[in-house]
Amino acid sequence: SYVLTQPPSVSVAPGKTARITCGGNNIGSKSVHWYQQKPGQAPVLVIYYDSDRPSEIPERFSGSNSGNTATLTISRVEAGDEADYYCQVWHTSNYHLNYLFGSGTKVTVL
Amino acid sequence: EVQLVESGGGLVKPGGSLRLSCAASGFTFSNYSMTWVRQAPGKGLEWVSSISSTSGQIYYTDSVKGRFTVSRDNAKNSLYLQMISLRAEDTCVYYCARGLPSETLPSSNYFDYWGQGTLVTVSS
Repeated sequence: SYVLTQPPSVSVAPGKTARITCGGNNIGSKSVHWYQQKPGQAPVLVIYYDSDRPSEIPERFSGSNSGNTATLTISRVEAGDEADYYCQVWHTSNYHLNYLFGSGTKVTVL
Repeated sequence: EVQLVESGGGLVKPGGSLRLSCAASGFTFSNYSMTWVRQAPGKGLEWVSSISSTSGQIYYTDSVKGRFTVSRDNAKNSLYLQMISLRAEDTCVYYCARGLPSETLPSSNYFDYWGQGTLVTVSS
């Protein structure tokens, strides 16, 4: 089965840049989507199709995807960006389509 | 405004059954694929099942196949998840989420709106 690997945690100082990786075999050939989830809240889509951003998401959020790694980048990090972040892709298993989430990365703003 | 409101969660004994509902509003429900995602306490997100706009394509994660059934009623703007033979490991918050507008389930699917979730607790 297909495995997505995310670091459990990333710490970043306010105003700096946070990079959250999502590793998978040839993930560059797939569309990667990213979600932000704050405690007690539902997930929010922050990046779709590797690098597209919903209109309500700040430009500080960007994404890239190549080779075996997709990356969500948060520039000029703010306290409000503290959350769990999940990548999501598709994969096929026994000829059936499945959607798969990474294990999540907790972003802590120092 | 797009809204998704789940209901039907609660406490159920192992082996029991439960039916979750998701009421949709603010968009043309019949055009969109829909998905259930769950999250165990303190754990990550897990995709459960997706259904295309016309119910023509349905997929499940392996751990719920044969126990969970997803369905939709486009006339009532509602999505459902019938769960039987529930196990302790099914204890989760269950979210419904909107996918892409599609009569099939695209590989590129992503979930742009989510409900607030309903908690299912399986315990004796």
